Amino acid sequence: LAKTTQPISMDSYEGQEVNITCSHNNIATNDYITWYQQFPSQGPRFIIQGYKTKVTNEVASLFIPADRKSSTLSLPRVSLSDTAVYYCLVGGAGNMLTFGGGTRLMVKP
Amino acid sequence: KAGVTQTPRYLIKTRGQQVTLSCSPISGHRSVSWYQQTPGQGLQFLFEYFSETQRNKGNFPGRFSGRQFSNSRSEMNVSTLELGDSALYLCASRPTRTEIQETQYFGPGTRLLVL
Repeated sequence: LAKTTQPISMDSYEGQEVNITCSHNNIATNDYITWYQQFPSQGPRFIIQGYKTKVTNEVASLFIPADRKSSTLSLPRVSLSDTAVYYCLVGGAGNMLTFGGGTRLMVKP
Repeated sequence: KAGVTQTPRYLIKTRGQQVTLSCSPISGHRSVSWYQQTPGQGLQFLFEYFSETQRNKGNFPGRFSGRQFSNSRSEMNVSTLELGDSALYLCASRPTRTEIQETQYFGPGTRLLVL
């Protein structure tokens, strides 16, 4: 199973770009990298998923280097409502997904 | 398309009792996974069901069990409840378990409190 390691917490200010890095040294060839956002007492919400290089959607970008042993979630111009826990997962077809400890992002005014 | 639904949303039980939680996946999704979330242990995988068969199982005691019905709805059961079972129980669904790139969609969770 691919284990993930993320910073426990991060602070930022409104309007700034936030980058959260996740390391996954033993990622398997068929594993994808997925990021979720979770607010208190709610289920995790899908943010973005990728396999290699760069993926961008309307809320975030995901950067994955060639060796795929890490990934970086980039949130542009965060707001107070982005205060949440962010989880990085790796997994593939038929594999159970393993959640790491998550990164608690605090956005300040 | 309706999202993953879980019932009940909140539950209070006493030690020694048993509890059954229900999950209805997104229409067309055939894989259902269950997770336990506690402040101390974070999100931990319980088990995954696909086509009414358990496909993966996490490291939980046999008091935790589940099943899946032919319409893909799933239930999980916890018997002989302990105080440490107090947690948010999350259900997630995905279309299949055979496609490499699949996203799991989570329900709102069931908050279980064991007194």
